[in-house]
Amino acid sequence: QLQLQESGPGLVRPSQTLSLTCTISGDSISTGGHSWNWIRQPPGKGLEWIGFIYSSGATFYNPSFKSRVTISLDRSNNQFSLSLGSVTAADTAAYYCARDFEIYGVMVRDFQDWGRGTLVTVSS
Amino acid sequence: ETVLTQSPATLSLSPGEAATLSCRASQSVGNFLAWYQQKPGQAPRLLIYDASNRATGVPARFIASGSGTDFTLTISSLEPGDFAVYYCQHRTNWPPMYTFGQGTKLEIK
Repeated sequence: QLQLQESGPGLVRPSQTLSLTCTISGDSISTGGHSWNWIRQPPGKGLEWIGFIYSSGATFYNPSFKSRVTISLDRSNNQFSLSLGSVTAADTAAYYCARDFEIYGVMVRDFQDWGRGTLVTVSS
Repeated sequence: ETVLTQSPATLSLSPGEAATLSCRASQSVGNFLAWYQQKPGQAPRLLIYDASNRATGVPARFIASGSGTDFTLTISSLEPGDFAVYYCQHRTNWPPMYTFGQGTKLEIK
């Protein structure tokens, strides 16, 4: 059974870089052609997709984050990471990692498996 | 970018009643529409994908329909655990992009 676990600092200073890691257990990040996603949710608000990385290493990002975001793979540790630069208070949110799923041999690019989320506060 | 508008913002019902939640897209999204349930302090849970397909383990009382711009999630007989926030979500295949509705809070009356 796939499990995802986010980790990283809970407090980041304004203008600094937010860095989070999602550790995968129960499957390998290198198999299956899945997309490994980051999604965030400001306190009391809705969900916002940040971007994903395929197991191949190709990345796609929400244009709203422009050049601030990087998602990367660490195959040796079965992890993927999020880096979000030049943060402001508006980046305060719960950050989730999530994966799509395969059913009857077809990849469905919606989010079936989620981590529990980690709250990151941007404040001086 | 496609905007998803959910209605109502809040729905107050009693256990045993039926709930009808709506999601309207600003342009046609085909059937690339998913529904999620989120309880306080928890990650969202996928309920429906491709507009009408229940995800693994989702009870049959969750029924979804629609295509194009108008989608509906119906919960046929509410159970206490169904009171939560529900989000619709659209995805595009190329370039990949995901957008969420603002959510409908289903609360106990």
